Amino acid sequence: EADIYQTPRYLVIGTGKKITLECSQTMGHDKMYWYQQDPGMELHLIHYSYGVNSTEKGDLSSESTVSRIRTEHFPLTLESARPSHTSQYLCASSGWQDTDTQYFGPGTRLTVL
Amino acid sequence: RKEVEQDPGPFNVPEGATVAFNCTYSNSASQSFFWYRQDCRKEPKLLMSVYSSGNEDGRFTAQLNRASQYISLLIRDSKLSDSATYLCVVNEGFQKLVFGTGTRLLVSP
Repeated sequence: EADIYQTPRYLVIGTGKKITLECSQTMGHDKMYWYQQDPGMELHLIHYSYGVNSTEKGDLSSESTVSRIRTEHFPLTLESARPSHTSQYLCASSGWQDTDTQYFGPGTRLTVL
Repeated sequence: RKEVEQDPGPFNVPEGATVAFNCTYSNSASQSFFWYRQDCRKEPKLLMSVYSSGNEDGRFTAQLNRASQYISLLIRDSKLSDSATYLCVVNEGFQKLVFGTGTRLLVSP
């Protein structure tokens, strides 16, 4: 069982609010990722990190930002939520090898009204 | 053309059936390959890695054909609990994973 956690699991919030989605892992992984997935669609990478103080944008453009101040923690922030941000956000982590598995957190289902 | 293509299904099969899923990928430099399973409204979980020599894990067999850029998953003796979406995942290097849209499997009694 993967030791990667996300909070909140569900969030319903009004337009314009600032939100932070939390992700933490206790596996000591340097690499962490945020994916966005709409119902019935594939996962898209929106942010990733190779380690502390490293953050990169993924393939899918996102208005969210991330930070990596501690190895185990990779929060995602939306400064001003909009209905178009409604989606499932999945955090993952992995080791360095290309054959290493990416382990996923349970996800945060975000609804912006 | 999508980087990883899968038949979305759904595949409706009775318990005990054998079912096969296929996947093609476009990046010939891809490094490693996986099948993940995703239950409805849950996170993806690794089902198995896919090796060039083919590999088996219980009722599940995965095959990779690098020349044809083709990956397959065979499930034998399907169980009701196998009902899920099966994601074909390709690592293009440096842990850049590209996910297919998934193939939905429904196993009925």
